[in-house]
Amino acid sequence: DTGVSQDPRHKITKRGQNVTFRCDPISEHNRLYWYRQTLGQGPEFLTYFQNEAQLEKSRLLSDRFSAERPKGSFSTLEIQRTEQGDSAMYLCASSSPGVLAGGTDTQYFGPGTRLTVL
Amino acid sequence: SQQGEEDPQALSIQEGENATMNCSYKTSINNLQWYRQNSGRGLVHLILIRSNEREKHSGRLRVTLDTSKKSSSLLITASRAADTASYFCATDANQAGTALIFGKGTTLSVSS
Repeated sequence: DTGVSQDPRHKITKRGQNVTFRCDPISEHNRLYWYRQTLGQGPEFLTYFQNEAQLEKSRLLSDRFSAERPKGSFSTLEIQRTEQGDSAMYLCASSSPGVLAGGTDTQYFGPGTRLTVL
Repeated sequence: SQQGEEDPQALSIQEGENATMNCSYKTSINNLQWYRQNSGRGLVHLILIRSNEREKHSGRLRVTLDTSKKSSSLLITASRAADTASYFCATDANQAGTALIFGKGTTLSVSS
């Protein structure tokens, strides 16, 4: 399967613990995105990488959150000192620039990691 | 913040009927995309329509875009039980290669 993969699919942790999620994008995609989705809402953007460079971060990405994409391939999202409000589905997506100016930039999503903070 | 607003929030229909969902957004866009999400799963890309296009078809899906009204609609014809899912529109805020901005979605339930 050549789609976006995420690991783990589910994570249950206690408040105050650190967690790390991994995303493997579609291999030829140089853009990678992280989103967060809470129940009944649409996904909300967290951060975006082009190759290994983190080009954009949302205000939702507090100091407790850090994301890396060290070699421009897979990415990790770490949450330190988790809080109950961090409980959500964390989605990763990847894309490649479109051929035309402005790009079509369809983003392809992984299955998500569901985080529950007790 | 969420730019798109889907309408209705929930829709229940019988198999074979058509389902229409609407999306409104606030700022200029490069393109608008529709995604489907089955319960608790990731998002599946359905269709992308560019700002210079007015209508696009893909199988049983028809998407329209009215940039003057900043609105789009998704029509699913001859619905099936397997179409039961949440549907989201997403815009790119007129910048390719950056965040998609999603609405809250329309939950479609198709009963047999």
